[in-house]
Amino acid sequence: DTAVSQTPKYLVTQMGNDKSIKCEQNLGHDTMYWYKQDSKKFLKIMFSYNNKELIINETVPNRFSPKSPDKAHLNLHINSLELGDSAVYFCASSQDSGPSEAFFGQGTRLTVV
Amino acid sequence: GQSLEQPSEVTAVEGAIVQINCTYQTSGFYGLSWYQQHDGGAPTFLSYNALDGLEETGRFSSFLSRSDSYGYLLLQELQMKDSASYFCAVWATDSWGKLQFGAGTQVVVTP
Repeated sequence: DTAVSQTPKYLVTQMGNDKSIKCEQNLGHDTMYWYKQDSKKFLKIMFSYNNKELIINETVPNRFSPKSPDKAHLNLHINSLELGDSAVYFCASSQDSGPSEAFFGQGTRLTVV
Repeated sequence: GQSLEQPSEVTAVEGAIVQINCTYQTSGFYGLSWYQQHDGGAPTFLSYNALDGLEETGRFSSFLSRSDSYGYLLLQELQMKDSASYFCAVWATDSWGKLQFGAGTQVVVTP
């Protein structure tokens, strides 16, 4: 069983489109995250949710809107995609919002053309 | 805010020992974590140091010195499969819910 699963794994789309990435964790964790990894492999936190509540929003453009229907799911919707949005997006979860092991999904490679 | 610095790349031969240093600046933090990421893969947890000293897990060890704002990951008996990126990361006390990563160190193991 996959602990943190995200879909799709690959996403190629045109500029201006709207797309969503879904994430689910079956670990019973309270906290979920979205990270963006650029071409230089820098992992930057975008959002953090604890029990469906947003606790971290790292000055991400408001074209990015996370949604957490329950604590096992955290989806990411992106409006009006731009070339600079091309990256690998990782969903992750951890038991708490503090020091604990974070488990990552396999990533979604988004390419905007 | 927080910042973490680590070398961009380290190259070593199979069987060697590699030390990846991480210096950090943060107003307060719980501890230092290390993650490994193979090309095309997801980051995976290696270790977490909350207290000063050395933590050993098989061939990998991690060290923390809070007074020096410094830590390192030690990879021993290097194997080809250890070729990957290694990230140090901190949980900051002033940003609950934020696990912040360094830029990563690419370790290249050669035969």
